[in-house]
Amino acid sequence: DAGITQSPRHKVTETGTPVTLRCHQTENHRYMYWYRQDPGHGLRLIHYSYGVKDTDKGEVSDGYSVSRSKTEDFLLTLESATSSQTSVYFCAISEPLAAANTGELFFGEGSRLTVL
Amino acid sequence: LAKTTQPISMDSYEGQEVNITCSHNNIATNDYITWYQQFPSQGPRFIIQGYKTKVTNEVASLFIPADRKSSTLSLPRVSLSDTAVYYCLVGAYSGGGADGLTFGKGTHLIIQP
Repeated sequence: DAGITQSPRHKVTETGTPVTLRCHQTENHRYMYWYRQDPGHGLRLIHYSYGVKDTDKGEVSDGYSVSRSKTEDFLLTLESATSSQTSVYFCAISEPLAAANTGELFFGEGSRLTVL
Repeated sequence: LAKTTQPISMDSYEGQEVNITCSHNNIATNDYITWYQQFPSQGPRFIIQGYKTKVTNEVASLFIPADRKSSTLSLPRVSLSDTAVYYCLVGAYSGGGADGLTFGKGTHLIIQP
């Protein structure tokens, strides 16, 4: 299994508080992604990173910010959490330009966030 | 981004072959077709990827017609443990980025004894 660790795995917080989720990888992959998964919506891309300090928005980026100060860590921040951000958050990594690579995404185990 | 359409759910029985079809009418020349499997409380896992014709691995086969506007994931002799959500993705991977990373809602496959 790809070395991807998400923390925390579970968090309950209150509306209006800041929350940071961390994704840590040991694979040295260039690309890292944050998805959220909600019933009836499948997986939706929030933000992704294509290198240190290089990030871009996905389809549901409003209310979220990200940072990547080193290859192995990708942080997702909710500046002021809302109940609509209650979800399961998945981090993924890929290395699209590796020899014979399929662009395969490797996922973490997910972080369940509840905003009361 | 090429959009995909797949059935919301499917049922089958142990030992049967299951075929899940995905439509992607707007697929581009550089796009590959990739399927992922997701079990409850886990992240998705890569199953198979193809560009055209047929691809087979130890888990599944992927059939892609000449026009590439659809693809069919074939799971031979399914078992209860194949109950999962299956996602079809279409995109180009040479440059990375967000292309090909739209998962959609997937197909919930339920295998019964």
